[in-house]
Amino acid sequence: GAGVSQTPSNKVTEKGKYVELRCDPISGHTALYWYRQSLGQGPEFLIYFQGTGAADDSGLPNDRFFAVRPEGSVSTLKIQRTERGDSAVYLCASSANREDYGYTFGSGTRLTVV
Amino acid sequence: AQKVTQAQTEISVVEKEDVTLDCVYETRDTTYYLFWYKQPPSGELVFLIRRNSFDEQNEISGRYSWNFQKSTSSFNFTITASQVVDSAVYFCALRSGNTNAGKSTFGDGTTLTVKP
Repeated sequence: GAGVSQTPSNKVTEKGKYVELRCDPISGHTALYWYRQSLGQGPEFLIYFQGTGAADDSGLPNDRFFAVRPEGSVSTLKIQRTERGDSAVYLCASSANREDYGYTFGSGTRLTVV
Repeated sequence: AQKVTQAQTEISVVEKEDVTLDCVYETRDTTYYLFWYKQPPSGELVFLIRRNSFDEQNEISGRYSWNFQKSTSSFNFTITASQVVDSAVYFCALRSGNTNAGKSTFGDGTTLTVKP
């Protein structure tokens, strides 16, 4: 597609439920990133994919968070047993396979855990 | 560990004033990349510019200019003759130049308000 697409744009869920957030990157971008942004803060790194594999998942806060990218394109961020502290905007970005390239971000998914 | 500090939380200027957004970074890498992103009220982060650690040449693009100084670990961003449409949150970011170092470290942003 022309840009990075994230769905849903908003998600409200009850504490303890499971959620999936989807990211469709720019066609041909091999690198895909998930970040989390809380109010008044900069994006916080979660995980980075190079192709189908997770090259760096050091930012995932705990084992309730998991992400996949099975065909090297669309990625899904999965959160189990959601907690109120998981509420944030989850941002996906993609870039060409060079470390000096800037990211193209999606519009984000605003997750609210009630 | 890498760190990016944007000491200015909020800046308010009147249209046509010049404004400089400060960014100070910390890294032990000899090769790294610095970025500026803009997040307008609509929410989507937009990439503005990148700078390599081995290129200290400053850059001007229209009303925007960037001043990179390795000696002070700073990468400041100046908007000349500001406009209301420049109102946004601006983020500075740092990425390692090591192989497979994909992640970037972001500052907490500076909220710029340009009043008419």
